[in-house]
This record gives sequence, structure tokens and C-alpha cells, in this order.
Amino acid sequence: GENVEQHPSTLSVQEGDSAVIKCTYSDSASNYFPWYKQELGKGPQLIIDIRSNVGEKKDQRIAVTLNKTAKHFSLHITETQPEDSAVYFCAAAGGSYIPTFGRGTSLIVHP
Amino acid sequence: DGGITQSPKYLFRKEGQNVTLSCEQNLNHDAMYWYRQDPGQGLRLIYYSQIVNDFQKGDIAEGYSVSREKKESFPLTVTSAQKNPTAFYLCASRQLRGTEAFFGQGTRLTVV
Repeated sequence: GENVEQHPSTLSVQEGDSAVIKCTYSDSASNYFPWYKQELGKGPQLIIDIRSNVGEKKDQRIAVTLNKTAKHFSLHITETQPEDSAVYFCAAAGGSYIPTFGRGTSLIVHP
Repeated sequence: DGGITQSPKYLFRKEGQNVTLSCEQNLNHDAMYWYRQDPGQGLRLIYYSQIVNDFQKGDIAEGYSVSREKKESFPLTVTSAQKNPTAFYLCASRQLRGTEAFFGQGTRLTVV
């Protein structure tokens, strides 16, 4: 089955800095890569996703890049704000779109 | 409002008792999922269902059971056979033709 590795497990940045979270996946058949944000005590919420036929996607301060050859994808958050503090999960899915999740990154943005 | 409702938010049970977690959605989604979340472990798939009266085991199905008698409901029973049931349980749903999985707010189960 699919295996998704996510790094780092904790990321601490100053407000205004950029944050990068990296993930690798094992199954070359995976073609859908969502990123979820989870605030304390709540369920995860999709913030951005990318399909395998696209190398990069951007939505305001958030961007995701995908390297299918190397089987890795990354989340980039620019101009971080305290409200960006949360746990972020990457995931990979194949044709069934059932995501396999990474272990999560706790992002802390210091004012 | 459309969405996924999990109840209760917190649940306490004694060891050896079965307990059922509720998940209801009014999004008219075909597929529903149950995930377990432990600190530092990410989300692990317990069971999923893509159609009424059919469901499949996920990666950690042992000690759990589900039913899908109605499209909008996918209850999860944590049985006494589950060796370490204390965790945060998340239900999700998705349109079969769509990609995004929508999550409920979770149920935190504590077994004492």
C-alpha cells in the first residue's frame, strides 16, 4: 500500500517568515495530493490540492509543488500569520481517491 | 447547513464495553470513511464505504465494526476486542466523482 512520509514534525517560525513542509510517497500510481489543516480539537480541512498532471499550484499565500519523478511534494506558506498555527497533513491518493496521510506537522507562528 | 456531524464530541467508557460513534452527513455524498488519530501518528483508515450496504476494511480494522444501512449514516462500533481504543476518531465523506474529503469535528473516546 501507499506510504507517506512527512517532515518536519514540528516547525516554528516568526510571523512574516515562510514555512515549508515536505512529503514523500511510495506508490507511483498515486495521482492526487491534498493538504489539510487541522486546528485544535477540530477535524481537518482541505486547504489546497494538486493532481499529478500539474507541477505547481498556488492560492494566495499557499502553494504546493509536486515532483512525480522523485515522488515528493511540498507545501509553501508565505508571509505566515499567527492564525496559520495548526497541524498540517499531506496525503496521497490513487484512483479510488482514498487518501493515505502523513503523520502531520505542527506549525507554530510566533507573533 | 450542509456538513458532517459526529456525536458525541467526548465519550467515556469502561474497559470491556462496546461503544458506538455516530456519523451523519447531509451532503448527499456516496463515500464515507472512518479514521483514527493518535498523537504523532497521523490519520489511519479504519473502514470505508462507497455505497449503501457495502463497506471495506482499511489499514486498522481489527476491533472495529461498521454498518451502512442509509446513505447519510455510517456508525462505527469500537468493540472490546480493540486493544487500545482511546483515541480521536474522525469521520469523513466524499462525492464519488469528487476528490475532496470533508471531515467531521471528531469524537474523542477515552476508555478507562
